[in-house]
Amino acid sequence: DAKTTQPDSMESTEGETVHLPCSHATISGNEYIYWYRQVPLQGPEYVTHGLQQNTTNSMAFLAIASDRKSSTLILPHVSLRDAAVYHCILRVDPNTGYQNFYFGKGTSLTVIP
Amino acid sequence: EAAVTQSPRNKVTVTGGNVTLSCRQTNSHNYMYWYRQDTGHGLRLIHYSYGAGNLQIGDVPDGYKATRTTQEDFFLLLELASPSQTSLYFCASSGGGSSAETLYFGSGTRLTVL
Repeated sequence: DAKTTQPDSMESTEGETVHLPCSHATISGNEYIYWYRQVPLQGPEYVTHGLQQNTTNSMAFLAIASDRKSSTLILPHVSLRDAAVYHCILRVDPNTGYQNFYFGKGTSLTVIP
Repeated sequence: EAAVTQSPRNKVTVTGGNVTLSCRQTNSHNYMYWYRQDTGHGLRLIHYSYGAGNLQIGDVPDGYKATRTTQEDFFLLLELASPSQTSLYFCASSGGGSSAETLYFGSGTRLTVL
C-alpha cells in the first residue's frame, strides 16, 4: 500500500545541495513524515522526521509543505558517502494508532565525484 | 549507540528446509520487527512484537512464524522454506510509545532457498 511517491532515482555532483521530493497526498493528521536512508548490504539508517514544522539536524533539512501533502529532504554539500536509497515514510502517531513504518522503494541517489 | 545484531549474515537452505533467523537488541527497546526486502519492493513487515511473549502479524506473514523469547531476542522461523522466501531479511527495534520514534536496524540476513 504505497502511501508516498518518490522519484526512482536522482543524480548529483559532490558539493552540491540535493533536494529529494516526496509526495503524500493522502496523509492523515496524526501521521509523521520520516526519512531513512540505506546503503547496499546495510539496514536503513534514520535521517530525520517531522509532523508540521520544518526540521533540521546534522544530516539534513526537512521542508514540509503547509498542506502537508508533500515534503522535501534537503542534503547540503553532498559527498560520496551520501549515495544511498532514501526512503520517505509515513507513520501513525504510536500513541493513537497502529505501529508501522511503510517503506516504499525510495529514491536512489547517485553522487558523482 | 543502539545496537541490533542479526545472525547468520548469510544462509542457504533447500526447499522444505527449516530455518531460524536470530535477532538480538541491546537497546532495552520494547518493539522488535522483522522485515523482508526484495528487488522492486520496499521493506515489507512480516511480524513484530511489543514485548517478550507477544507477537503481532505484519503485512506479509504467510509462511513465517516468529517468537519473542526475551526483551532482547526475536526469532523468525521458516518451517518449510520455499524459493519465494529467498530475500534479504532485516530485524529492527524501537522504543515505542513516543512521537520521536526511531527504528534501529540490523545489518541483515541474506537467505537463499534453493
